[in-house]
Amino acid sequence: EPEVTQTPSHQVTQMGQEVILRCVPISNHLYFYWYRQILGQKVEFLVSFYNNEISEKSEIFDDQFSVERPDGSNFTLKIRSTKLEDSAMYFCASSEASWNTGELFFGEGSRLTVL
Amino acid sequence: AQSVSQHNHHVILSEAASLELGCNYSYGGTVNLFWYVQYPGQHLQLLLKYFSGDPLVKGIKGFEAEFIKSKFSFNLRKPSVQWSDTAEYFCAVIPGGFNAGKSTFGDGTTLTVKP
Repeated sequence: EPEVTQTPSHQVTQMGQEVILRCVPISNHLYFYWYRQILGQKVEFLVSFYNNEISEKSEIFDDQFSVERPDGSNFTLKIRSTKLEDSAMYFCASSEASWNTGELFFGEGSRLTVL
Repeated sequence: AQSVSQHNHHVILSEAASLELGCNYSYGGTVNLFWYVQYPGQHLQLLLKYFSGDPLVKGIKGFEAEFIKSKFSFNLRKPSVQWSDTAEYFCAVIPGGFNAGKSTFGDGTTLTVKP
C-alpha cells in the first residue's frame, strides 16, 4: 500500500538553528500538507501546497517557515531559526487531486526537539 | 472559524465494553467529518468519514459514527472494544468547499482498553 514517508524520524537541534524536514508524498497525489502536534495538544494545520505554491496557511506558519517541492518527489518544511516552542511532532500529509475526497494520508511524523 | 470539541480526554474501558466518544463542532454550513486514529508510535490513520447521504457511517475495525446535524455532533461508537483499540482518537471537520488541508482537529481522546 502506498504511504507517505518522512525523514528524519527525530531531530534534536539548538535554538536558532535551521531545520529541514523532508517528506515523500504518495506519488499520484497533488495536494501536500504539513501539520504539527505539540506534545499533549491537538493536531494543528500549518500549510497546504498545490501546483508548486502555497494554497492555504495558518497563522502559525509565519516567516520562519517555508515549504518547497524541490523535485518531483520530495516536499520539505524548513524552519529558518528554530525556537523552543517549535518542539513538536510534524506530520506531512497528501491527498488526491480531487478536493472533495478529503482524506489525508499521513506520514509517521518527524519529532523535532529544540534545546 | 470552525472549532471541534471532544468531550472525553481519557477513556478507560475493559475489553468487550461498548465505546462512545463525543465530537461536537461549531460551523453553520455544510461540513465533511472525519475520525482519525493514532496507535501508539504510529501515524494518523483515517477511521471513517462522512460527506453526505446516510448519517450513520461505518469505518474500519468495527467502528461507526453518526452525524446528527441538529446537534452538530459526530460521535464515534464501537459495540465491543478490544485491547488493540488502545489509541488516540481525533475528530476532524472540513467546511464544505474547502480543500482537505483546512481540517480542524479536536484535542483528541486517549482510549485505554484493559485486557
